[in-house]
Amino acid sequence: KQEVTQIPAALSVPEGENLVLNCSFTDSAIYNLQWFRQDPGKGLTSLLLIQSSQREQTSGRLNASLDKSSGRSTLYIAASQPGDSATYLCAVFGNAGNMLTFGGGTRLMVKP
Amino acid sequence: DVKVTQSSRYLVKRTGEKVFLECVQDMDHENMFWYRQDPGLGLRLIYFSYDVKMKEKGDIPEGYSVSREKKERFSLILESASTNQTSMYLCASSLLGEIYGYTFGSGTRLTVV
Repeated sequence: KQEVTQIPAALSVPEGENLVLNCSFTDSAIYNLQWFRQDPGKGLTSLLLIQSSQREQTSGRLNASLDKSSGRSTLYIAASQPGDSATYLCAVFGNAGNMLTFGGGTRLMVKP
Repeated sequence: DVKVTQSSRYLVKRTGEKVFLECVQDMDHENMFWYRQDPGLGLRLIYFSYDVKMKEKGDIPEGYSVSREKKERFSLILESASTNQTSMYLCASSLLGEIYGYTFGSGTRLTVV
């Protein structure tokens, strides 16, 4: 069964820092990986979707990479801002059951 | 942009009540999903549907049922609400196929008293 782990569970950084969030998964037979953002009490907002054949995707200050063979993905946030404070979730879509499996999330706090 | 709309942001119901959570998407997606999210347990899949009138159990279907009479609408039903069903409920949709991502609604915070 696919397991997705996100480390660290929580992270606090000063404004302006570049940071990396990590996601690892146990079964490399995936179709895609998706990064989401969740603000407190709200739903999930999709940030980036990486297909299994891709190595990375970029959107503004966000860059997500995927190393399928090692079962790892990273989300890089450049020049962090207080508005980036949220929980970030990664999820993999695998060919075992064709369903999305979520990590536990990283709670990010960017201090002014 | 794809929009997934959940009819209520907050809901308070009494134990034993029948509860309906509604979800509507506006982009002709085949797949629709219901998750619940609890602290320490993450997101868990309750039910999903890949077509009208079709439904599949997820990881935690007990105590829930679903209905999909129209492609754009997927309803989650708590036949007899219990306090352990107090949670954040999230609906999502996607196109059929492995290359497509999921789009989530804004969630319904259900409290059962």
